[in-house]
Amino acid sequence: DTAVSQTPKYLVTQMGNDKSIKCEQNLGHDTMYWYKQDSKKFLKIMFSYNNKELIINETVPNRFSPKSPDKAHLNLHINSLELGDSAVYFCASSQGTSVGDTQYFGPGTRLTVL
Amino acid sequence: GDSVTQMEGPVTLSEEAFLTINCTYTATGYPSLFWYVQYPGEGLQLLLKATKADDKGSNKGFEATYRKETTSFHLEKGSVQVSDSAVYFCALSDRTGGFKTIFGAGTRLFVKA
Repeated sequence: DTAVSQTPKYLVTQMGNDKSIKCEQNLGHDTMYWYKQDSKKFLKIMFSYNNKELIINETVPNRFSPKSPDKAHLNLHINSLELGDSAVYFCASSQGTSVGDTQYFGPGTRLTVL
Repeated sequence: GDSVTQMEGPVTLSEEAFLTINCTYTATGYPSLFWYVQYPGEGLQLLLKATKADDKGSNKGFEATYRKETTSFHLEKGSVQVSDSAVYFCALSDRTGGFKTIFGAGTRLFVKA
């Protein structure tokens, strides 16, 4: 069983569209994250939820809205997509928020905006 | 704020060569330090970690020692294999930095047969 799964794996869409990426973890973890990885592999935290509460909200456009219906799921909705949103988006989870906690990453969603 | 600096890549080595990827950090508290690896087309996965000064993390022949005096966590492997070709990320997590993990820019490693 996959520990952290994301759907879809690839997403190709036109500028101005709205799209969602879904993430699920079956590890029983309390904390989940969204990261954006650009073409140079730089990884940037976007959001984090702990027990369905938002705890990290980095400076991202408000076109990006995360939603955590329960501890095991963290979805990312993006409105009015722009060319600069093209990237690989990774979901991750960790047991909690302790500094020594390992993060477990999903396989990524490659978003291409045309 | 907290930051992680790692050597720029790409690093190209022949099989069985010795590998060092340098990583230094700045942190206001007492961070935990990590190395994550990303194989082509996959997400990151933990390679090793150390949670306090002088701890050595090790896994799959890779090692890194948490050096507080030099604020470093260099990754080493005595003999690399083609299958080690990947992107390696140094990272830190520090409570005074909030609940965030700060990642370095990544170092791409190519190992030639």
